[in-house]
Amino acid sequence: QSALTQPRSVSGSPGQSVTISCTGTSSDVGGYNYVSWYQQHPGKAPKLMIYNVSERPSGVPDRFSGSKSGNTASLTISGLQAEDEAEYYCTSYAGSYTRVFGTGTKVTVL
Amino acid sequence: EVQLVQSGAEVRKPGESLKISCKGSGYSFTNYWIGWVRQMPGKGLEWMGIICPGDSDTRYSPSFQGQVTISVDKSISTAYLQWSSLKASDTAMYYCARRFTTDAFDIWGQGTMVTVSS
Repeated sequence: QSALTQPRSVSGSPGQSVTISCTGTSSDVGGYNYVSWYQQHPGKAPKLMIYNVSERPSGVPDRFSGSKSGNTASLTISGLQAEDEAEYYCTSYAGSYTRVFGTGTKVTVL
Repeated sequence: EVQLVQSGAEVRKPGESLKISCKGSGYSFTNYWIGWVRQMPGKGLEWMGIICPGDSDTRYSPSFQGQVTISVDKSISTAYLQWSSLKASDTAMYYCARRFTTDAFDIWGQGTMVTVSS
């Protein structure tokens, strides 16, 4: 089971949009609509931002959106804000009660 | 308030055993699976396994099968992660998390730092 592939870093200015990709295989991302995204600030626990590819938990700003095409899922942050600077991880169900995380992406707000 | 509270930081020597805990409160503990996640220093997140507090059904990620044991005591709403013989490579932050829908984890513990050093 290999980790899902994410870019190491993305950056944008306040107010801009950034998109993070998460590439897997037909055995994980492409096979199930169970992709989630987590935000992790330094020294903190992860926080759920998106689940089931594109659903937002209560309390998560609608600036965060998710999508999927084939074996690649994406998280888009619109109207980037300073507090969005963090590490972001995707994760996907991979069958047989297993799941796999992405490699993580550092989002920098310039 | 719905929360998971983990036990405090631990320092152990290689070869020693350890059991860390994750106590749920503010919700029906037996209704939600609990997962465990490892984060080695400066590294990414890794799924270790998941347990159903209602019937103790446990599933391990292949990389962690046989390396750790996940258990639960539903009478005190607490899940556990344990090692019988720690290695230096077990040094990491460990998080527990509640699975609230098909495969999403909405509530996370604060993490337990485990340091294994001679």
